[in-house]
Amino acid sequence: DTEVTQTPKHLVMGMTNKKSLKCEQHMGHRAMYWYKQKAKKPPELMFVYSYEKLSINESVPSRFSPECPNSSLLNLHLHALQPEDSALYLCASSQGGIGGGFTGELFFGEGSRLTVL
Amino acid sequence: KNQVEQSPQSLIILEGKNCTLQCNYTVSPFSNLRWYKQDTGRGPVSLTIMTFSENTKSNGRYTATLDADTKQSSLHITASQLSDSASYICVVGTSYGKLTFGQGTILTVHP
Repeated sequence: DTEVTQTPKHLVMGMTNKKSLKCEQHMGHRAMYWYKQKAKKPPELMFVYSYEKLSINESVPSRFSPECPNSSLLNLHLHALQPEDSALYLCASSQGGIGGGFTGELFFGEGSRLTVL
Repeated sequence: KNQVEQSPQSLIILEGKNCTLQCNYTVSPFSNLRWYKQDTGRGPVSLTIMTFSENTKSNGRYTATLDADTKQSSLHITASQLSDSASYICVVGTSYGKLTFGQGTILTVHP
C-alpha cells in the first residue's frame, strides 16, 4: 500500500465554520506533512510532524491547527478561515526523516480542495 | 537564500515530440533533486530522485539529468503523449531535509 488518503476531496465552508481535513497513510512512514497550494503555484509547506511530534510550523496562522493522533493519521483543524485560505491542501508522508532524508520519497495525497465563502 | 528556477514557465508541443525542461538551483547544502509530475487538481507524483553522485536517472519515457557542479538539472520527455500534459515541478532537498520547490513548468501536449 503506497497511498496517502485524504478526506474530504472537496470542502466548502463559511468563515465562521469549524471543519477538519484528514490524512491517512499505512506505509509506516514517520514523517507527515501539510502543504497549501494556490492555483498555478508550487506547494507551500505548512507543518511537519516527525514521530508524531510537531517539528516544523512555517509561521502558519492559528486558525489552522494540526493534530497527529497516531503515526498513521494527520488532521488539520480549520476555524474562522478567510476567503484567501481557499486552496488545495496536500498531505504527504516520507519514510526517512524530514524531507525524506537523502533519497526518501515524498508521497503526496490527492489533496482536499477547500473553498471558504 | 535557497532558490529553484525552472524554465520555461509553459510549453506546448505536439503529441509524439520530445521536450526538455530545465531546473537551476542555488540550494545548500545540497542533498537531492526530485522531479514531480502534477496533474491539474491532483497531488504531485514522484518521477525521479537523484543525489549528487547520480548524473542521470530514467523512469520510462522520462529521463532526468543532474550536473551538481553547475547546479543544473533537466527532465527530458520522449515521444510525448496527451497524458503528459501536467505541471512538472523540480524540488531540491538539503541535508537537513528542507525542500525548496520550483515554480513548475506547465506542459501541454496537443494531438
